[in-house]
Amino acid sequence: DAGVTQSPTHLIKTRGQQVTLRCSPKSGHDTVSWYQQALGQGPQFIFQYYEEEERQRGNFPDRFSGHQFPNYSSELNVNALLLGDSALYLCASSVSSGWNTEAFFGQGTRLTVV
Amino acid sequence: RKEVEQDPGPFNVPEGATVAFNCTYSNSASQSFFWYRQDCRKEPKLLMSVYSSGNEDGRFTAQLNRASQYISLLIRDSKLSDSATYLCVVGRSSYKLIFGSGTRLLVRP
Repeated sequence: DAGVTQSPTHLIKTRGQQVTLRCSPKSGHDTVSWYQQALGQGPQFIFQYYEEEERQRGNFPDRFSGHQFPNYSSELNVNALLLGDSALYLCASSVSSGWNTEAFFGQGTRLTVV
Repeated sequence: RKEVEQDPGPFNVPEGATVAFNCTYSNSASQSFFWYRQDCRKEPKLLMSVYSSGNEDGRFTAQLNRASQYISLLIRDSKLSDSATYLCVVGRSSYKLIFGSGTRLLVRP
């Protein structure tokens, strides 16, 4: 079982550019959540996708958008990049049923905006 | 005020010590509670879920006090490999996880 995989692992972008990050969930998982983790902080919830729709959203601007595909994989898109978007972006997958099901995280994509 | 508050540490303890971390959360509608562990430049991994009755997993004991909105983690007989950041996590409505900023633990020989 490959677990949660994210690509790319590292990325450098220029302010104003757009970026797409990708996530493949753990086998058997149907829900994908995205988190942003700034240095020295805990992960912050961006949004969650289930059945190809955004189910919940955190406190992030519309520049952050996403998509989930029929095979449950997901993309996170960020437009008009700001220096403050530099962070580790984590994808977590889980199963939709039950409250205490474990969320498994991918290794993350480290985005640097210059 | 952050929704989940933790002492950032670092806690610097010798091998074999017992160390306790505390966490408070502000939203009484929170439904699920966890401790995650995050090694340097790695992804968070679930350490244990936390229940009102308290639960233990080997050297780790977690407690939840819903009335005080307080979560704790106790690590007994600390090992060098326990050095990491411990994230207090609260779940609200359909798996939205709210993370604290983490408490850093350094276990020295």
